[in-house]
Amino acid sequence: SQTIHQWPATLVQPVGSPLSLECTVEGTSNPNLYWYRQAAGRGLQLLFYSVGIGQISSEVPQNLSASRPQDRQFILSSKKLLLSDSGFYLCARGEGGQGTDTQYFGPGTRLTVL
Amino acid sequence: GQNIDQPTEMTATEGAIVQINCTYQTSGFNGLFWYQQHAGEAPTFLSYNVLDGLEEKGRFSSFLSRSKGYSYLLLKELQMKDSASYLCAVRDPGKSTFGDGTTLTVKP
Repeated sequence: SQTIHQWPATLVQPVGSPLSLECTVEGTSNPNLYWYRQAAGRGLQLLFYSVGIGQISSEVPQNLSASRPQDRQFILSSKKLLLSDSGFYLCARGEGGQGTDTQYFGPGTRLTVL
Repeated sequence: GQNIDQPTEMTATEGAIVQINCTYQTSGFNGLFWYQQHAGEAPTFLSYNVLDGLEEKGRFSSFLSRSKGYSYLLLKELQMKDSASYLCAVRDPGKSTFGDGTTLTVKP
C-alpha cells in the first residue's frame, strides 16, 4: 500500500524564524508530489508540485520554497516565516496519468506563526 | 484560470438525502473531483468524473455536466459521521483547483 508521512504534525513558530516541513512517500516510485496550504475555513491552495527529483514548479510566488532531494521525499521550507504563513500544510501524491492524476493526501502539518 | 462555487454550509437530517452543488468556470478541463474532509483532518478522495453522467459508489453518487459547468455530490441515507466539509476540485492540464468547501452538518 502507498503511505504518505508528514512531520511534524503541529508546529508553533515565531515570526521571522525558518521552517522545514518534510513529506515522505512509501510504496511507489517516481510519484507526482504536491504541497498545498489550507487557511481556516478555506479550500486548498497549491503551492508547489514536482514530477521528479530536483524538478519543482511553483504556483504562488511567496517566501516559501520546495525541494525534492530524493524520489520519495518532498520538503517545504522558508527562511523567514510571516504571520500569513499560518495554516494547514498538506502533502499529496498523484496517482494516475499526467494531467488527470487523483491526489491522495498525507495527514498534514498544522502551522501557527505567532 | 478556474473559478469554483459551492454553498458554504448545509444542514440535513440523519437518514435523509442531501445534494451538494458545485459550479465551475474553467479554461481547460481534465476532470472533477470530490473530497471529504473531517474537521482537523486531511481530505480523502470520494469520486472523479470526467464524462457527463452519474457515478455511483455506495451511498455517495457524483454527477457531471460539462456543458453546464456543473456537478453535484449526492449523499443518501445520511449518517452522523457524514458531518464534514465536502470539497469540489477541478483539474485542468496543469493542476487541480479546489473550491472553499461545503460544511455539512447532519442532525439526529
